[in-house]
Amino acid sequence: AQSVTQLDSQVPVFEEAPVELRCNYSSSVSVYLFWYVQYPNQGLQLLLKYLSGSTLVKGINGFEAEFNKSQTSFHLRKPSVHISDTAEYFCAVTLNTGFQKLVFGTGTRLLVSP
Amino acid sequence: EAGVTQFPSHSVIEKGQTVTLRCDPISGHDNLYWYRRVMGKEIKFLLHFVKESKQDESGMPNNRFLAERTGGTYSTLKVQPAELEDSGVYFCASSRADSTGELFFGEGSRLTVL
Repeated sequence: AQSVTQLDSQVPVFEEAPVELRCNYSSSVSVYLFWYVQYPNQGLQLLLKYLSGSTLVKGINGFEAEFNKSQTSFHLRKPSVHISDTAEYFCAVTLNTGFQKLVFGTGTRLLVSP
Repeated sequence: EAGVTQFPSHSVIEKGQTVTLRCDPISGHDNLYWYRRVMGKEIKFLLHFVKESKQDESGMPNNRFLAERTGGTYSTLKVQPAELEDSGVYFCASSRADSTGELFFGEGSRLTVL
């Protein structure tokens, strides 16, 4: 079975500062990796995904993530955050045998202040 | 194009009562998923429909939960009788048959069981 760990439940940062949200996963087989974001009073939306190829993937709103197979990590980064990035971020995995159910982490709440 | 819509947005019921949640996926999306988030924990998979067929219902907690997707369009999730531990946010998501993992989520239905 797969599992996802997001150790940071909340990350406070100042506007224009860089941020990294950590995600580690556990799986005995190869997986696909995703980051979803939930803005207040909205549904989750896809930020970016890693299926194969380059381990550095770029997503919407200036976010990027790097897949590290040896460390089983998929950390999310942004070099300069905005107030509008305040949201909850979820890391998720699914088996690479097909796009089935996603296994989510517990989420990280990013709080950006001026 | 309308997104995934869920109804009701919030439901408060007493233990032992019945609640039915509805999800209207994006038109043309064959895949429909139900997920649940309890008390700020991880978002957990409940079940997956492909058109009107249940592809995977391994996440359904017990037989008090019944999901249907008649005609392969909208879906309902009934909880009968509701227990306190059923409280949480129920998310519905949909995707195309050829999706590479991007799910489109609704805003969720918050269920409070008193």
